[in-house]
Amino acid sequence: AQSVSQHNHHVILSEAASLELGCNYSYGGTVNLFWYVQYPGQHLQLLLKYFSGDPLVKGIKGFEAEFIKSKFSFNLRKPSVQWSDTAEYFCAGSSINDYKLSFGAGTTVTVRA
Amino acid sequence: DGGITQSPKYLFRKEGQNVTLSCEQNLNHDAMYWYRQDPGQGLRLIYYSQIVNDFQKGDIAEGYSVSREKKESFPLTVTSAQKNPTAFYLCASRDPRTSSSTDTQYFGPGTRLTVL
Repeated sequence: AQSVSQHNHHVILSEAASLELGCNYSYGGTVNLFWYVQYPGQHLQLLLKYFSGDPLVKGIKGFEAEFIKSKFSFNLRKPSVQWSDTAEYFCAGSSINDYKLSFGAGTTVTVRA
Repeated sequence: DGGITQSPKYLFRKEGQNVTLSCEQNLNHDAMYWYRQDPGQGLRLIYYSQIVNDFQKGDIAEGYSVSREKKESFPLTVTSAQKNPTAFYLCASRDPRTSSSTDTQYFGPGTRLTVL
């Protein structure tokens, strides 16, 4: 079955620390991968997405993710977090011909000032 | 101002009652989706519709029903058969006519349903 898993349930960081959130997928064939973020009280919004091409994808707010096909991974990174990065982060995937998204369980990130 | 609206923001219902959650979009998107969000479980797909008058079950459709009579609207009914309906419900839409490189689902603000 197609699925996406996230390694961390809750991550607590101090401002200026680096962030890396793990995401693994199990899809046969070509896959589309996404990271969404849900800030407190706000809509779920797209951070970045990978469809093809350069495996290092840059998104909004200084986030980036690297698609590593051999490891079935799509980890999210940010070199220096801010208090405003406190949010819940979701990894999601879909096969290229089936646009139903499968979401990971989410990672709550808390950044302490 | 384009986007997806969901109403109401908070909804309370008594056990045994059906309740309908509204989702409207003015993005001219053909495809619409309903997800349920529970703590520690991410989002799970309930129903989706690729085009007007057509919809398919997602991963957890039992106890739910939908209709898609208009392109702009995709209401979700939570029936009394749904055993654990208290959750946060998210609606999304997508334009399947775009190329895969721009394919993205856009989400509404959500409705929090509490069964008393």
